[in-house]
This record gives sequence, structure tokens and C-alpha cells, in this order.
Amino acid sequence: AQTVTQSQPEMSVQEAETVTLSCTYDTSESNYYLFWYKQPPSRQMILVIRQEAYKQQNATENRFSVNFQKAAKSFSLKISDSQLGDTAMYFCAFMKSGEYGNKLVFGAGTILRVKS
Amino acid sequence: DADVTQTPRNRITKTGKRIMLECSQTKGHDRMYWYRQDPGLGLRLIYYSFDVKDINKGEISDGYSVSRQAQAKFSLSLESAIPNQTALYFCATSDYDRGQSDTQYFGPGTRLTVL
Repeated sequence: AQTVTQSQPEMSVQEAETVTLSCTYDTSESNYYLFWYKQPPSRQMILVIRQEAYKQQNATENRFSVNFQKAAKSFSLKISDSQLGDTAMYFCAFMKSGEYGNKLVFGAGTILRVKS
Repeated sequence: DADVTQTPRNRITKTGKRIMLECSQTKGHDRMYWYRQDPGLGLRLIYYSFDVKDINKGEISDGYSVSRQAQAKFSLSLESAIPNQTALYFCATSDYDRGQSDTQYFGPGTRLTVL
């Protein structure tokens, strides 16, 4: 079974600075996807970024980028130029690829607080 | 209008009561899911459905049942609610497309409290 570990229960960062959230996972699969979801106080789950394991290039979405290290089974999220609206719980998630592999496995989450 | 809606948004009930949480989507997706969120545990899969005739148990299905009434509707029932089912419940949808990731889109969540 796959597991996802987020070792930082809480983090804080000053506005405009950069912060990195850690995520490690355990799987025997070779093809899979990784995701970061954001959950602000409104509790809506919002997709931030996704990475296909077969791609070596790290995914980026504006101020959000990942550092995907497949051999180390590590998938960290970097947020640049942090904004107050980035304050949220961030979840790392794993999904096995393939027609029947679409079940998401989530980490426990990291609370990020952006301070002004 | 939101693509994935859940009703009710909040519900307080008593132990032993039957509760139904409803999910509707306008995205036209075939696949639908129910997750439960607890502090420190992230989200865990309860049930999922690939189409109207396909229902599958997830990681924590005990104490729950589901009904896929139509492609757009997927309901979660607690036949006899108990306090440890107090949690935030999410519905999600996805559209499997060969060669692309099966990204899931979430509803706004239902906060359920069982007294």
C-alpha cells in the first residue's frame, strides 16, 4: 500500500519570502502522479500543482513549483513570493496511474501561515 | 455556479440517526468519490464509483453506504450515526482520460457532527 508523509505539521513564513513544504511517499509503483492540494479556511480543496512520475522536469504553476526526486521518493512544494492568501493547509497526495489506479492517498497536511 | 455541490454544508445530528449527504456535479464526469477528513489524518477514501453501475469500497467503508442515482449524483449514507463519524466529508469527481492524470475536483465539503 502507498503511504504519504508530511513531516511538518505547521510552518510560517513572512510575506514575500519563499517557503518549502516537504513530502515523502512510499510505493512500489513505477508510474504514478503526485499532487499538492491547498485547503484555505473556507475548507475548499484546491488543486495547486501536479506531477507525472515519468516526467523528469519539475512542474511549475506561477509562484508554485515542485522538487520531484523520484529515487528519493520526495516531492516538495516551493512557494515563492508568499502572499497572505497562501495561508492554508497544504496536502500532498499520491495516485497510482492506470485505469483503475485513480484513488488518491493523502498525507496528514501542513498548516502554512503567511505573516505580514 | 459551482461544478461540484454538496448538501447540506453543515449538519448536527444525534447518535443512531440515519443521515444522507448528497453530491451533485455539472462537470459531466463519470467518476465520483467520497472522502472523509479528520485532523492529523488527511483525507481518506470511503467509497468510489466509476459509473452508475459501478460502486467500490475505499479504505474506510464500514458504517457507510452509497448510492449512485445518476451520472451526476452520488449520495453517502450513515445508517446509524455514531460520534466517531464526526468529520468533514468531501465529494470529488474526475474524468479518466487515457494518457493524462486523473485529476480530482472537490466539492465544498459537509461538516457533520454526531452528538
